Amino acid sequence: TQLLEQSPQFLSIQEGENLTVYCNSSSVFSSLQWYRQEPGEGPVLLVTVVTGGEVKKLKRLTFQFGDARKDSSLHITAAQPGDTGLYLCAGARDSGGSNYKLTFGKGTLLTVNP
Amino acid sequence: GAGVSQSPSNKVTEKGKDVELRCDPISGHTALYWYRQSLGQGLEFLIYFQGNSAPDKSGLPSDRFSAERTGGSVSTLTIQRTQQEDSAVYLCASTKRGVSGYTFGSGTRLTVV
Repeated sequence: TQLLEQSPQFLSIQEGENLTVYCNSSSVFSSLQWYRQEPGEGPVLLVTVVTGGEVKKLKRLTFQFGDARKDSSLHITAAQPGDTGLYLCAGARDSGGSNYKLTFGKGTLLTVNP
Repeated sequence: GAGVSQSPSNKVTEKGKDVELRCDPISGHTALYWYRQSLGQGLEFLIYFQGNSAPDKSGLPSDRFSAERTGGSVSTLTIQRTQQEDSAVYLCASTKRGVSGYTFGSGTRLTVV
């Protein structure tokens, strides 16, 4: 069973600070996705990274996929209260060209205080 | 519909009762997934449907759990003889073939008392 370890588990910061959360595994994934989940809602896809070493930027969020495709990081610049939520990473193992049965980490619960 | 719809949003049931959870995926999405999210745990894969193929049931935790998908659209997850450890949020997601990234519903919060 592939395992995705996320760290830190909890993070509480002040508005305007920068932060990085990590997603690590001993297994190789064909792609890795990041989701954000708010209370009472399902996770919402933020980004998919597929190439080792890939960096993607989404406004103040920067996502990186490790060269060996075993780990990923999410960096948030100048965090805002609206960034508060549970950040989940999920790895996919391709089967017949379709990603399915994602393996999820336990998530990082981020609180950004005004 | 515009998104994945799950019902009910909340369900409280007595231990030993059966429950049915419903998922209505996005129109045109051929793949449908059920996951379970328990407090402090990640999302746990339960079952996956893709078109007319046999479903991947490898994540179902016991034979009390079953799921079906009628007409390639709506899916029902059934839990028989519920136990307290079944308490969790049950999430449904759908995708188009070849597209990575799930679209999740808001989930059903199941509480077994």
